[in-house]
Amino acid sequence: NAGVTQTPKFRILKIGQSMTLQCTQDMNHNYMYWYRQDPGMGLKLIYYSVGAGITDKGEVPNGYNVSRSTTEDFPLRLELAAPSQTSVYFCASKLRDPNSPLHFGNGTRLTVT
Amino acid sequence: LAKTTQPISMDSYEGQEVNITCSHNNIATNDYITWYQQFPSQGPRFIIQGYKTKVTNEVASLFIPADRKSSTLSLPRVSLSDTAVYYCLVGGFSGGYNKLIFGAGTRLAVHP
Repeated sequence: NAGVTQTPKFRILKIGQSMTLQCTQDMNHNYMYWYRQDPGMGLKLIYYSVGAGITDKGEVPNGYNVSRSTTEDFPLRLELAAPSQTSVYFCASKLRDPNSPLHFGNGTRLTVT
Repeated sequence: LAKTTQPISMDSYEGQEVNITCSHNNIATNDYITWYQQFPSQGPRFIIQGYKTKVTNEVASLFIPADRKSSTLSLPRVSLSDTAVYYCLVGGFSGGYNKLIFGAGTRLAVHP
C-alpha cells in the first residue's frame, strides 16, 4: 500500500491564481481530512469528509473548496490564491472506527507571492 | 469538542525519561486519546492511543487517570531522534467526532 499520496510536493502560485491539491489513499478509508500548517504552528483543519459525496467545514474553510466523488480521492481547491494561504497542506485519512488513527501524507508546500 | 492544552515546549537530555501531559477537561464519555509525533517537513505519525488506565507499546506509554481529564505521554530513555513536536488529539463517538481538531502541540528538544 502507498498510504496517503499528495501531489504536488511543492508549488508557487501568483496572487489570484487557482490550483487543486491532490490527495489519494489506497487503504479504503472512509474519512479524509485536509489540514494546513503555517511555519512553527500547529495543524488547522480546513475541510473533512466522512464518505463519498459528503464534506463538511473545519476550522478555517474560507478560500478553499473540496469534493469527494470517490472513496480514494479528496482534492482541495484554492480559488483566487492569497499570500495568507502560504502554508504546508497535509491530507489525512482514517477508518470509521473511533479508535482508528489518522494516516497522513507527506504534505504539499505552497507559496503564494 | 474536547479542547486540549499542552506545554508549548520541553527540553530533555539523551537517556532521560520524558513525560508530556495533555489536559482535556471536557472529554466526552466515548472519546479516545491519541498521540502523534511530527518531525520537520513531515506529516504527523501515530504513536499511541488509549481510553483509560495505562497503555504501553514499543515506543511509549500512555497514562490516563480515572477521571480522564488529562493524559501523560511517557517516552523512556529519549534520544536525539525523539526531537519533534508531539500532539494529543481527543475524539470518539461524541458530537463532532468526525471533526478532529489538533491543539498547538509540545515541541520537545533532546540535547546531547
